[in-house]
Amino acid sequence: KNEVEQSPQNLTAQEGEFITINCSYSVGISALHWLQQHPGGGIVSLFMLSSGKKKHGRLIATINIQEKHSSLHITASHPRDSAVYICAASYNNNDMRFGAGTRLTVKP
Amino acid sequence: GAGVSQTPSNKVTEKGKYVELRCDPISGHTALYWYRQSLGQGPEFLIYFQGTGAADDSGLPNDRFFAVRPEGSVSTLKIQRTERGDSAVYLCASSLTGYSTDTQYFGPGTRLTVL
Repeated sequence: KNEVEQSPQNLTAQEGEFITINCSYSVGISALHWLQQHPGGGIVSLFMLSSGKKKHGRLIATINIQEKHSSLHITASHPRDSAVYICAASYNNNDMRFGAGTRLTVKP
Repeated sequence: GAGVSQTPSNKVTEKGKYVELRCDPISGHTALYWYRQSLGQGPEFLIYFQGTGAADDSGLPNDRFFAVRPEGSVSTLKIQRTERGDSAVYLCASSLTGYSTDTQYFGPGTRLTVL
């Protein structure tokens, strides 16, 4: 069983819709990362958070330490947001475990 | 400033051959990570360097895989006697200090295909 679980696996939305991607992790972590991966493999770090909430433009990431759960929200989604979004948990020993990713397609 | 670069971008080899994959981290980053990503899956940790030393190589699948970082900057991932199951995208990332809360900056990856 993967220590980091993401849902949904695939998500299709219409332009303008509010998007939520969920991530659950099984044991205590030092930080939770949200990454974006475009076709061709390039990975970009979106957020790193250990508590609370972070916002950058139309992207919002939240984490609930007690429930071991994080969400990534995209407001006013746009076709250029189409990508794979990956949740990753890092631990004190520098081990990093990744979710399988959520493939988001935003249609115009 | 340049980001993390990896060469080659694509590598096709035959089963049983030896391959080397190179990673150039961001200048000044002390920590360097190698990951492997199979189709449709998230990346999987292979090895982590702090400076010149491998601080954690617990993710290397077997002794056919080896990585070095002799001068604390460029790293080479070496795979001996390649197998078809080694086919994947090999990703490299670097971070400034290696603290688990550091942001990791990823390279574009090397797509390895073993025929």
